[in-house]
Amino acid sequence: DTGVSQDPRHKITKRGQNVTFRCDPISEHNRLYWYRQTLGQGPEFLTYFQNEAQLEKSRLLSDRFSAERPKGSFSTLEIQRTEQGDSAMYLCASTAGGSYEQYFGPGTRLTVT
Amino acid sequence: AQRVTQPEKLLSVFKGAPVELKCNYSYSGSPELFWYVQYSRQRLQLLLRHISRESIKGFTADLNKGETSFHLKKPFAQEEDSAMYYCAPLEGANNLFFGTGTRLTVIP
Repeated sequence: DTGVSQDPRHKITKRGQNVTFRCDPISEHNRLYWYRQTLGQGPEFLTYFQNEAQLEKSRLLSDRFSAERPKGSFSTLEIQRTEQGDSAMYLCASTAGGSYEQYFGPGTRLTVT
Repeated sequence: AQRVTQPEKLLSVFKGAPVELKCNYSYSGSPELFWYVQYSRQRLQLLLRHISRESIKGFTADLNKGETSFHLKKPFAQEEDSAMYYCAPLEGANNLFFGTGTRLTVIP
């Protein structure tokens, strides 16, 4: 296990298309987080899972965004009808229950043209 | 709303000079605060947690409740310290609220 992995690393899509990103956390970690980072800003929290349950969602997560973690392992983040403002780096992080340290993946860079 | 401010987007220091990266927060009570770091072409990773009161890679950070600050300090900067540094309080039960970050450049 080499840490949190994300796929794809880069995605270019046209406005209006749907995109889906995948995150594979560290295998024993039951908590998984999604963040979004735009240029010049720090990462912004989007949503959080404990096992398969989505326990918290940011107001940033509009109706076009949906995240799942069906078996409590990998997670997907889908953006429907992408807009240019969705262009950002999407980061995934995981942590074991009871631990405070979040381990981050390399991110998926989305460009909406 | 809970907020954290990192007033310097860019900071340059010479190798061997002291470095201080500022972080101010506006929270009530006792927030849990972290410093995360991102080196060039590497992932975001935890550097320090205020409760642990550790020194990691020569860096320390003290929570000053009176000044509502959590500045990151190192007495002698090294070239390998060049990176992006984020102050991040824990918001709610689990998610981090990142500041805008400070890019530190250590000049040889």
